[in-house]
Amino acid sequence: DGGITQSPKYLFRKEGQNVTLSCEQNLNHDAMYWYRQDPGQGLRLIYYSQIVNDFQKGDIAEGYSVSREKKESFPLTVTSAQKNPTAFYLCASSITVLETQYFGPGTRLLVL
Amino acid sequence: KQEVTQIPAALSVPEGENLVLNCSFTDSAIYNLQWFRQDPGKGLTSLLLIQSSQREQTSGRLNASLDKSSGRSTLYIAASQPGDSATYLCAAADNAGNMLTFGGGTRLMVKP
Repeated sequence: DGGITQSPKYLFRKEGQNVTLSCEQNLNHDAMYWYRQDPGQGLRLIYYSQIVNDFQKGDIAEGYSVSREKKESFPLTVTSAQKNPTAFYLCASSITVLETQYFGPGTRLLVL
Repeated sequence: KQEVTQIPAALSVPEGENLVLNCSFTDSAIYNLQWFRQDPGKGLTSLLLIQSSQREQTSGRLNASLDKSSGRSTLYIAASQPGDSATYLCAAADNAGNMLTFGGGTRLMVKP
């Protein structure tokens, strides 16, 4: 069953805590992306990766970090430097950066 | 910096009506324009992708058009059904195809 999976579905963060959101794909896609969606708004790009061991900042990278050690995986860490992390986080992948992006089901991050 | 706007933010129509959703963008130097559907609390599903050299794309009851010179795209939905109720997002890809800039979406409700 091919696709993109994100876990967990809901994640709670305490003040000063770093949390990591998982994104895995078995579509053999080279490119992967992380977006943030705030209520009633469109998506904003946090980071993207065109290929393994490479990633680039998007529009709102401050307070976030990523790694791309494997083709299938692109985890996103929300650090304590991100002062307003409450949002819906979406991961996507595409064959290359020039192709249609396919999205995972999302992770909702809430602050305790 | 590319800006994408979708008007209206919300739309309610009776079942069976044909409708048009609007998307405008400020920078006409785009690689492609995509339309997505998002159900509440879910990820995005790609509906149509129009390359910059194309004028329109069709899939079933959906037709998307692109006018780069005026910075506009429209999504036409024929014979709307309650199952079409969702948020529709458009996104413009930059000229390198690397980054998508999303509009805020139009929340559509089709009443039986």
